[in-house]
Amino acid sequence: DADVTQTPRNRITKTGKRIMLECSQTKGHDRMYWYRQDPGLGLQLIYYSFDVKDINKGEISDGYSVSRQAQAKFSLSLESAIPNQTALYFCATSLGQSYSTDTQYFGPGTRLTVL
Amino acid sequence: GDSVTQMEGPVTLSEEAFLTINCTYTATGYPSLFWYVQYPGEGLQLLLKATKADDKGSNKGFEATYRKETTSFHLEKGSVQVSDSAVYFCALSGTGGGNKLTFGTGTQLKVEL
Repeated sequence: DADVTQTPRNRITKTGKRIMLECSQTKGHDRMYWYRQDPGLGLQLIYYSFDVKDINKGEISDGYSVSRQAQAKFSLSLESAIPNQTALYFCATSLGQSYSTDTQYFGPGTRLTVL
Repeated sequence: GDSVTQMEGPVTLSEEAFLTINCTYTATGYPSLFWYVQYPGEGLQLLLKATKADDKGSNKGFEATYRKETTSFHLEKGSVQVSDSAVYFCALSGTGGGNKLTFGTGTQLKVEL
C-alpha cells in the first residue's frame, strides 16, 4: 500500500462549487504539505502543517483552506471553486528533521478541473 | 527570497546519450539541494540530494554536485535509458524555517530508442 494517498485522483467540478481534497499518510510523519502544480510553473506551496495544531499559509493560500484532522490526515478545501484553480494538487509529508536533512514524500496527485 | 532556475525543456535524447540538466539557485545561507523526478501519472519522488557545499548526491546512475561558488546543482547521467523519461525538478530547502521546498519549473526529458 502507498504511504501517502490522495482522494479523489480526478475531479471535475463547476465554478462556485465547494470541493475537498483529502490526503492520508501511514508514514507517521508530523509535517504535511499541500502543493499545486501548473504547467511551466513547477510546484507552489499552498499550506503546510507542522502538527495538528500548527497550520501555516504558503505562497498561494488565497481561495484555499485546510484542516488537519489527525496526524495522518490533511484536507484541502476550495470553498468556491474558480476555473484558474484547475491544476494538479499534491500532498506531501516529512518527518520534520532539520532543513538540511528533511525529505518530503509525495502522494500521487489529484487532477482538478473547474469548468 | 529563495529561487531555483532550471533549464527549460523538453529535452529529447537518444538512448545511451549523456544527460545534463542545469540548475542554479538563489538563497541566503547554506540551503540543501534536491532533485525530484516525476514519472508520467505519478507524484514526485526524491532522486538525490546534497546538504553542503561540494557534496555529491547520487542515485540510479544520476549525479549532482553542490557547487557553492557557482550556486549550481546540475543533474548528470552518463547513459540515459528510455525508462528515464520523466520530468525532473530541482529544489532547495532554505534556512528560513519550515523546511519548505522551493522548486524550479521542471525539465521534461524524453529518451528515444
